[in-house]
Amino acid sequence: KAGVTQTPRYLIKTRGQQVTLSCSPISGHRSVSWYQQTPGQGLQFLFEYFSETQRNKGNFPGRFSGRQFSNSRSEMNVSTLELGDSALYLCASSGRLAGLSYNEQFFGPGTRLTVL
Amino acid sequence: DAKTTQPNSMESNEEEPVHLPCNHSTISGTDYIHWYRQLPSQGPEYVIHGLTSNVNNRMASLAIAEDRKSSTLILHRATLRDAAVYYCILRRSGGSNYKLTFGKGTLLTVNP
Repeated sequence: KAGVTQTPRYLIKTRGQQVTLSCSPISGHRSVSWYQQTPGQGLQFLFEYFSETQRNKGNFPGRFSGRQFSNSRSEMNVSTLELGDSALYLCASSGRLAGLSYNEQFFGPGTRLTVL
Repeated sequence: DAKTTQPNSMESNEEEPVHLPCNHSTISGTDYIHWYRQLPSQGPEYVIHGLTSNVNNRMASLAIAEDRKSSTLILHRATLRDAAVYYCILRRSGGSNYKLTFGKGTLLTVNP
């Protein structure tokens, strides 16, 4: 079974630009979550989508948005980029397994975004 | 989410057991204890989780204190590949909340 894939793996942008990152979950997984990882703040939850609906949201400004498509693929968008948005953006997918109360999250390798 | 406290770093020798502690004194009765780890230049990966009883899987064992205020992740024989940041996370059971709240974790160094 293929893992979570994220594209692109590396990205360089300048302040004020916008960026779109893509995530393809594991086949059959309907939940996709996004996290931001920086040296200073560590791993922080951005948002989670399930069946094309945002179900949870972290404490990030409105410049950070996302969406999920009918095939469960997800994109996140950051508008008006700031230097502080430089980070590793991680996507994770989860699927429901019968009889289990907890579904582990499977993380992708991340997209390294550098804002100059 | 209830908070967890972990040592910033630990060191171990290859092929020796490693005990990674986690304190969670404000844990509620419905909180599961999860462990993830992040190897260098990779996304986090699930290690193990438990509620009250000790748990074993192919990667590790999880020992949970009787009062559930602390737990220990046990790697029975550390390898160089186990060098990573280990995160102890509490997650409320039930519902469909897939949000994970990561702390700083413990950086494990494995010496050859």
